[in-house]
Amino acid sequence: GAGVSQSPSNKVTEKGKDVELRCDPISGHTALYWYRQSLGQGLEFLIYFQGNSAPDKSGLPSDRFSAERTGGSVSTLTIQRTQQEDSAVYLCASSLGLAGAKPGNEQYFGPGTRLTVT
Amino acid sequence: SQKIEQNSEALNIQEGKTATLTCNYTNYSPAYLQWYRQDPGRGPVFLLLIRENEKEKRKERLKVTFDTTLKQSLFHITASQPADSATYLCALGSGYSTLTFGKGTMLLVSP
Repeated sequence: GAGVSQSPSNKVTEKGKDVELRCDPISGHTALYWYRQSLGQGLEFLIYFQGNSAPDKSGLPSDRFSAERTGGSVSTLTIQRTQQEDSAVYLCASSLGLAGAKPGNEQYFGPGTRLTVT
Repeated sequence: SQKIEQNSEALNIQEGKTATLTCNYTNYSPAYLQWYRQDPGRGPVFLLLIRENEKEKRKERLKVTFDTTLKQSLFHITASQPADSATYLCALGSGYSTLTFGKGTMLLVSP
C-alpha cells in the first residue's frame, strides 16, 4: 500500500515568506508527527496529532510555526516569516496509534521536504 | 534533561563482519527503545523495538540488546553487507509519549 507522502520534496523560499508543507499519512493511521532534521542533527520533534485529541505542540520552536490536521488525515505545517535557521528537512510520520510499546505502533516516515531559506 | 548519545563518527567495517552500534542515554527511564535505519534523502525506516523488560531481540541478521542498568542499547548487524551502509538511529519512549531520537551513527560496509 501507499506510504506516507510529503510535498513538495524541495522548497526554496526567501527570508520573510510563509511556506506550507503537506503530509499525507498512511490511511487508517490515527497518529501523525512532524519532525525537523538539520544537517548533523537528530530528529527534532515538533508536533503530533492523535485522533481527535488536541495536538501536542510542545516541540514547536516559535509561534511562527503551526500545523493543522484536517479530517483526521492530511496535515499541513505552516512556517510564517521564514528565517534562515528554519532551513532543514521536515519529516512527517504516522503510526496506527500513539508511539508506544505496542507492536504496530512504530512510526512510518515520509521522504521529507527539504526547505531552504535564502 | 534527557540525553541520548550515539557515536558521531562513522563506523567502517568490512563485509562479512559484525557491526555493533551503541546508544547510551542519561536522565531517562525509557519503557522501550526503537532502532531505525535512514538512507540519504529518505525518511527513517523502523527496524526493531525492544521493551525495558526484554534483554535481547532478534530479527534476521539484526540483534538488539537493552541494558537498563547501564542505560545502554547495542545494535548488531551480523554478516554485514555493503547494502547495510546507512545511518542508524535509536529512539527512546515511555508510556504514550512521543519518541526522542538520537543523532544517529553512520555505518559504512566496504566490500
